[in-house]
Amino acid sequence: GDSVTQMEGPVTLSEEAFLTINCTYTATGYPSLFWYVQYPGEGLQLLLKATKADDKGSNKGFEATYRKETTSFHLEKGSVQVSDSAVYFCALSPTTGNTPLVFGKGTRLSVIA
Amino acid sequence: EAQVTQNPRYLITVTGKKLTVTCSQNMNHEYMSWYRQDPGLGLRQIYYSMNVEVTDKGDVPEGYKVSRKEKRNFPLILESPSPNQTSLYFCASSLVGHSRDTQYFGPGTRLTVL
Repeated sequence: GDSVTQMEGPVTLSEEAFLTINCTYTATGYPSLFWYVQYPGEGLQLLLKATKADDKGSNKGFEATYRKETTSFHLEKGSVQVSDSAVYFCALSPTTGNTPLVFGKGTRLSVIA
Repeated sequence: EAQVTQNPRYLITVTGKKLTVTCSQNMNHEYMSWYRQDPGLGLRQIYYSMNVEVTDKGDVPEGYKVSRKEKRNFPLILESPSPNQTSLYFCASSLVGHSRDTQYFGPGTRLTVL
């Protein structure tokens, strides 16, 4: 079945460092891909998404490109801030509707000043 | 403000005592769902609903019930909770459940079953 694999954390970075969180997926067809972020004590919120191959999603300085040839959707940010500390989830939504989001296990990011 | 609300946010209960976690959205979304989040397992879907009176099982439905009598509400019912249902629960909604739709999540309900 469909699955998402993302790098395990925790990841600890200094402020202004470059961030990459790897995400690869297995799915049939052309799923939509998402990154959700969960700040401490809160629910998940959409960070960015891409719905077709070669699309780039971007928001708040974060970017991810839908790469069908490598089945990847890596999250990047050029300069992280302390406020980016959170858990990041990669997810896919299968091509056919009525099926749930498939989540990766999450990567905890801690940014220290 | 567009939002998904859940109540209660925290609940400690005992084995076998029926409980209901409420979920409400004010965005007129057709699609609603429940997830549980467990360490090392990520989020897994419990039940979902495509519209009023239309519900279906997700990946881990055992021990749970849902109902969708109104478009805005989607309560999660645990008829006889057990300790393995101790978890963090999230309700989510989206416009129509299309694969491209963004899902909007509630703040979560942390349930402990003793």
